[in-house]
Amino acid sequence: DAGITQSPRHKVTETGTPVTLRCHQTENHRYMYWYRQDPGHGLRLIHYSYGVKDTDKGEVSDGYSVSRSKTEDFLLTLESATSSQTSVYFCAISAPRDPLSLHFGNGTRLTVT
Amino acid sequence: GQQLNQSPQSMFIQEGEDVSMNCTSSSIFNTWLWYKQDPGEGPVLLIALYKAGELTSNGRLTAQFGITRKDSFLNISASIPSDVGIYFCAGRGAGGTSYGKLTFGQGTILTVHP
Repeated sequence: DAGITQSPRHKVTETGTPVTLRCHQTENHRYMYWYRQDPGHGLRLIHYSYGVKDTDKGEVSDGYSVSRSKTEDFLLTLESATSSQTSVYFCAISAPRDPLSLHFGNGTRLTVT
Repeated sequence: GQQLNQSPQSMFIQEGEDVSMNCTSSSIFNTWLWYKQDPGEGPVLLIALYKAGELTSNGRLTAQFGITRKDSFLNISASIPSDVGIYFCAGRGAGGTSYGKLTFGQGTILTVHP
């Protein structure tokens, strides 16, 4: 276990409501990522962070925002949830000495009704 | 954006059989990785490949970085029931940053019958 906690593990929300998912790490790793997993698409990068307050977009960032005010926490916000955002969301971390070795959390299953 | 095509999409095999899966891309990748995902958990890194032609083993798993830099292969020998899961290839394109901005394949679902 790489010391990554995602919360909540499951959430059901209605279309149009805001949702925030939290990723907390105890490894003091510099890089953090949010991926979404959908059948037939594998994992797709939403946003990533390369340091506190340093974030950038991934390939499927529309409709999502992120914030990283502390090394250990990376928040993913859906400003107005849509049914297309129903997915399993994974947080991952990696260290500069081995940036491509991603360690993943156990995921958050989000259902937007 | 970059895409990885992973095949097969699913495999049903008997315990003890060998397994092969592959991943191809239309563009060059300078790093290939293979992850495994167990049900209800996040993916776990199995093998990382950093040079074209590289062949790396991890126990019963062997992976290769294709010499064209556009493909990679994963083989599992003498499969056992705990090999069940989803296997993902992932890669970082040429000219990529040092961050872990990986492109993932669609996954291969492996089922092993005892």
